[in-house]
Amino acid sequence: DVKVTQSSRYLVKRTGEKVFLECVQDMDHENMFWYRQDPGLGLRLIYFSYDVKMKEKGDIPEGYSVSREKKERFSLILESASTNQTSMYLCASSLGTGVPPTDTQYFGPGTRLTVL
Amino acid sequence: TQLLEQSPQFLSIQEGENLTVYCNSSSVFSSLQWYRQEPGEGPVLLVTVVTGGEVKKLKRLTFQFGDARKDSSLHITAAQTGDTGLYLCAGADSGTYKYIFGTGTRLKVLA
Repeated sequence: DVKVTQSSRYLVKRTGEKVFLECVQDMDHENMFWYRQDPGLGLRLIYFSYDVKMKEKGDIPEGYSVSREKKERFSLILESASTNQTSMYLCASSLGTGVPPTDTQYFGPGTRLTVL
Repeated sequence: TQLLEQSPQFLSIQEGENLTVYCNSSSVFSSLQWYRQEPGEGPVLLVTVVTGGEVKKLKRLTFQFGDARKDSSLHITAAQTGDTGLYLCAGADSGTYKYIFGTGTRLKVLA
C-alpha cells in the first residue's frame, strides 16, 4: 500500500521562527510536491521536485525553500515564518511518467500550521 | 497563470438526489483529474481523463472532459452520505510536471 507521511499533523510556531516540514514517501517515486491549501483557493503549488537535488518553483514560492537530498524525502522550509503562512500544507508524490503528467498524485494527511 | 474555477463552491443535498459539479478554465489541459478529500486526509484520486470528449464512469460517478479540453464535469447519481467531501479537479500543465488545482466544491449529503 502506497504511503506518504508528513512529520506533524499540527504545528504552532511564532512569527520569525524557522520552520521545517518533512515529507517521506515509500513508493520510489520520482516527483514530489508541496502545496498549501486555503479555503476557496484550492491547492496552490509551492515547489516541486522531479529528481534528487532538483527543484522548481511553483506558483507561490515566496517565503519558502525546499530540500531533496534523498529520493524519498522532500522538506519544506519557512525561513522566517509569518502569520500569512498559517495554512494546511500538503505533500504529494507521483511516479513521474513524463511531461505532461497523467500519473496519480498520492497525498500525505497534511500539516496544519499556525503562525502566531 | 492558468486557473481552474469550480462551481458550485458549496452544495448541500439530500441522500438520493443527483448533482453535477463543474470545472472550467480558459486554458487547454492535456489531461484532467478529479480528487476527493475527506476531513483530516489528503486528496485521493478518483479518475483521470485524457481525451477531449471522453466520458468515464465509476459506479454512480460520471466524469466528462470537454471537447476542447478546457472544462470537465462530475455527475453523481443518487448521492449517498459517503459521497460527502471536498471535490477537486486538477489539470495537467502541458509543458511541465505541474498540476493546476481547481478551487474546490464542498459537498454535503444529508441522510
